[in-house]
Amino acid sequence: QKEVEQNSGPLSVPEGAIASLNCTYSDRGSQSFFWYRQYSGKSPELIMSIYSNGDKEDGRFTAQLNKASQYVSLLIRDSQPSDSATYLCAVLGYGGSQGNLIFGKGTKLSVKP
Amino acid sequence: EAGVTQFPSHSVIEKGQTVTLRCDPISGHDNLYWYRRVMGKEIKFLLHFVKESKQDESGMPNNRFLAERTGGTYSTLKVQPAELEDSGVYFCASSQWNGVTGELFFGEGSRLTVL
Repeated sequence: QKEVEQNSGPLSVPEGAIASLNCTYSDRGSQSFFWYRQYSGKSPELIMSIYSNGDKEDGRFTAQLNKASQYVSLLIRDSQPSDSATYLCAVLGYGGSQGNLIFGKGTKLSVKP
Repeated sequence: EAGVTQFPSHSVIEKGQTVTLRCDPISGHDNLYWYRRVMGKEIKFLLHFVKESKQDESGMPNNRFLAERTGGTYSTLKVQPAELEDSGVYFCASSQWNGVTGELFFGEGSRLTVL
């Protein structure tokens, strides 16, 4: 059974701080990794994708991938109250068809003003 | 450009009844996916259409679930007869035919409550 694990939180950080969200996955052959953000009652929205080891930066967001450790993380710099949401880690497993993503349960982030 | 739209947003039915959920993908997106999140669990893949063809239905839980995408546009997901464990939020997502794998556009979901 392929699994993606996330700390459910809630993770609470003060405004302006760095929020660090972590995710581990079980399928060593996984190829593609995604972070989705979901506001309460809204649709999941893709914010970052990463495919190779290392860091990928996009504005205030940095995704980090370590395939040897089967670990993906998302850093949010200068956190804002508007970043308060549930962050979903998703993985495309080895042999998985397009769009057959394996999701974690999500980490709820709360940014306090 | 309109996003992925789903209808109804919330449906309450009794065990044994039938419910049909509808999804309108983003115009021009050949790939359409159904996912489901039951209470306390992660979002799980149900199936994937490419145009009107089922590409992968490995996540469909049982034969009480029937998905269709006639004409390759909108899709319906019918649950017949509904059971208590079918309660949850059903998400639809779409992507372009040559879109990067995994970069999906989701709808807001249809919440199904089976009493």
